[in-house]
Amino acid sequence: DGGITQSPKYLFRKEGQNVTLSCEQNLNHDAMYWYRQDPGQGLRLIYYSQIVNDFQKGDIAEGYSVSREKKESFPLTVTSAQKNPTAFYLCASSARTGDNYEQYFGPGTRLTVT
Amino acid sequence: KNEVEQSPQNLTAQEGEFITINCSYSVGISALHWLQQHPGGGIVSLFMLSSGKKKHGRLIATINIQEKHSSLHITASHPRDSAVYICAVCSRLNYQLIWGAGTKLIIKP
Repeated sequence: DGGITQSPKYLFRKEGQNVTLSCEQNLNHDAMYWYRQDPGQGLRLIYYSQIVNDFQKGDIAEGYSVSREKKESFPLTVTSAQKNPTAFYLCASSARTGDNYEQYFGPGTRLTVT
Repeated sequence: KNEVEQSPQNLTAQEGEFITINCSYSVGISALHWLQQHPGGGIVSLFMLSSGKKKHGRLIATINIQEKHSSLHITASHPRDSAVYICAVCSRLNYQLIWGAGTKLIIKP
């Protein structure tokens, strides 16, 4: 079955450490996205990538980095520069061909930094 | 004003009640998504709509493109339906998702 895998579901880190969240898709989608969710708020876009080896900052990119070396993978690194890293992180992918549009969502990773 | 507004923010109901959650948006869209998030859990996609109505089990989603409004209905609600329900629209302008803040639903037995 095609879909998006995010692992792990829960992740715990000490303050000051970088941490990388994985996102893998086998949907052959060109576009991939990372969102952050804080309690009581809508999800916000961190980074997105429309094609391999290219990515763009979203609304809240500070303190995060990404890479897109392969079409199926879009890992997100939460750096020590991110002031409030504890949050729920959602990966998504999409594809658009003419009028056809597909959007898939991963299950998310809940990161806790203490 | 947010581009995607959900109402109500919080909803508590008794088991068996018919539930309606609303989503209004102000941008042109190519599609609208309804997603479910259980407490402390991940996100599950329920529906993707571009017109009309979709049904899956006890869940029904409708969209009125002219009025820029969508509703999610739950029939014969059950405590396991307790979750946050999130509406997201795909902007026709840049195909980016714009998210609502979510509706927290609690179904009491």
